[in-house]
Amino acid sequence: DGGITQSPKYLFRKEGQNVTLSCEQNLNHDAMYWYRQDPGQGLRLIYYSQIVNDFQKGDIAEGYSVSREKKESFPLTVTSAQKNPTAFYLCASSRDRAYNEQFFGPGTRLTVL
Amino acid sequence: QQQVKQSPQSLIVQKGGISIINCAYENTAFDYFPWYQQFPGKGPALLIAIRPDVSEKKEGRFTISFNKSAKQFSLHIMDSQPGDSATYFCAARGRNDYKLSFGAGTTVTVRA
Repeated sequence: DGGITQSPKYLFRKEGQNVTLSCEQNLNHDAMYWYRQDPGQGLRLIYYSQIVNDFQKGDIAEGYSVSREKKESFPLTVTSAQKNPTAFYLCASSRDRAYNEQFFGPGTRLTVL
Repeated sequence: QQQVKQSPQSLIVQKGGISIINCAYENTAFDYFPWYQQFPGKGPALLIAIRPDVSEKKEGRFTISFNKSAKQFSLHIMDSQPGDSATYFCAARGRNDYKLSFGAGTTVTVRA
């Protein structure tokens, strides 16, 4: 059963703490993405990766970091430098960067208290 | 700023009616225009997509109309059903950087 998994579904953290969101895919896709979704703002690209050990900043990368050590995994760390981290985070993948369709995971809702 | 402007923010339609969502863009370097459907608490899923060399694409009850000269495209949901109640996002992909720019979303509620 191929797809993208994100864990956990809900995450609560205290202000000032770093937190890492997990994203795993078994679709054998080269490209992976992290988006942030806020009410009334659509999806905004945080980071993306085209291949293992390579990643680029998206439109709102400040306060976030990523790694891509394995093809299947693309974890996102929300650091204490992110001023407004409470949001719904979505991971996506596509066959490659130029391939049209992006497949999305179920998302993680992060609440910083 | 938002590169793709989407309207309305929300709409309510009776079962069997037509839902229409509009999007507009300025960047002429977009080459692919997908629509995504998202149910509450879930990730978006690709619904239908169009390229700018086509003026209309239909898949079942969903139709995209594309007006290249006006830089506008719209989604029509015919014979709307309660199961269509969801948030719909239009998007546009950059020809050179392949980045997707999303509209702000439209929440559609279909009343039985």
